[in-house]
Amino acid sequence: SQTIHQWPATLVQPVGSPLSLECTVEGTSNPNLYWYRQAAGRGLQLLFYSVGIGQISSEVPQNLSASRPQDRQFILSSKKLLLSDSGFYLCAWSVKAGANVLTFGAGSRLTVL
Amino acid sequence: DAKTTQPNSMESNEEEPVHLPCNHSTISGTDYIHWYRQLPSQGPEYVIHGLTSNVNNRMASLAIAEDRKSSTLILHRATLRDAAVYYCILASYNTDKLIFGTGTRLQVFP
Repeated sequence: SQTIHQWPATLVQPVGSPLSLECTVEGTSNPNLYWYRQAAGRGLQLLFYSVGIGQISSEVPQNLSASRPQDRQFILSSKKLLLSDSGFYLCAWSVKAGANVLTFGAGSRLTVL
Repeated sequence: DAKTTQPNSMESNEEEPVHLPCNHSTISGTDYIHWYRQLPSQGPEYVIHGLTSNVNNRMASLAIAEDRKSSTLILHRATLRDAAVYYCILASYNTDKLIFGTGTRLQVFP
């Protein structure tokens, strides 16, 4: 069966520090991969998605970047965090064919101080 | 991407049926209707999806209007564990991305 792992689960970082959140998927190949962010009390915002290795689509211009160095690995990064980067970051995957049903990871809660 | 409109919040009593509405008047012929729910401090989980016909699974039923401009997620007997934010999303067969709205916050009272 397929599983999705996301880490770290919780992160507290100072403003101006770098960020790296990692997501890996097991049990499938060539998935679509996604990063979403949810600010406190808000809805989910699609940040990036990837349909293949090295292929990244950005939905919102921001202080963040994403990379997909391997088929089932998706990384969210920042060189210098802002206060507004605080939130709940969610990785998700889907198969390419069909109705594009998403499976989400458990999330990474980032607090920038 | 076509948009959906949902009420901000709804309330239900335990063991009663719940009908969560969603309007999507600009839906296109290739758009699937997806429902997800998000429990507190968790990632969203898939509930159900459909294209034209009504759908049933172990979690819920999805009733789709004949003109497909609206749909209703039906929880047949609400439990306290069903308290969550429910998202109605349109996703084209050919799209690679799903855009979430603000959803409906469902409160279930004992």
